[in-house]
Amino acid sequence: ILNVEQSPQSLHVQEGDSTNFTCSFPSSNFYALHWYRWETAKSPEALFVMTLNGDEKKKGRISATLNTKEGYSYLYIKGSQPEDSATYLCAFGHGGSQGNLIFGKGTKLSVKP
Amino acid sequence: EAQVTQNPRYLITVTGKKLTVTCSQNMNHEYMSWYRQDPGLGLRQIYYSMNVEVTDKGDVPEGYKVSRKEKRNFPLILESPSPNQTSLYFCASRTGGVNNEQFFGPGTRLTVL
Repeated sequence: ILNVEQSPQSLHVQEGDSTNFTCSFPSSNFYALHWYRWETAKSPEALFVMTLNGDEKKKGRISATLNTKEGYSYLYIKGSQPEDSATYLCAFGHGGSQGNLIFGKGTKLSVKP
Repeated sequence: EAQVTQNPRYLITVTGKKLTVTCSQNMNHEYMSWYRQDPGLGLRQIYYSMNVEVTDKGDVPEGYKVSRKEKRNFPLILESPSPNQTSLYFCASRTGGVNNEQFFGPGTRLTVL
């Protein structure tokens, strides 16, 4: 059974703090690693899709790194703002290039003003 | 506007009464998928479709059916709903392989009494 683990489950930070979360996934049969941002009462929105070992991607204050050999990815948020409050999901793409995504349970971030 | 739509957004029904949740995308995506989201369990895949007339089971297919007669539509059918199918359902689509981002619909909250 393929398992994708995210930690921590939840995180409370103050506005302006920088923070990071971890996504662990199987290191074999890797095709892609996705990060999604999921706000309450909305649908998940893609942040990054990463495919190569050593990939680093950045979108504004949010960035992500990928290590496929050891099976982990980090998501960083620099200078957290209240609007960053959301659940951050990672998903492991496997089963070939036409395969499916296995989602982690997410990290719920709350940013206090 | 590129989007995935789902209907209905909210539904309360009774055990055994057949229902269909529609999903439609206007992006000409080949791949479509249904997920359910339950507290503490994360997003779990129900069924997916690689293209028209090609469907396959995900991780939790029991009690569900799907069809893919047209590229844009991927309805989820519950022939005889039961209370354990009370959940939040998301439809998603993407183009090509697992290295492309998935676009999610707004979600359907289903309650089976």
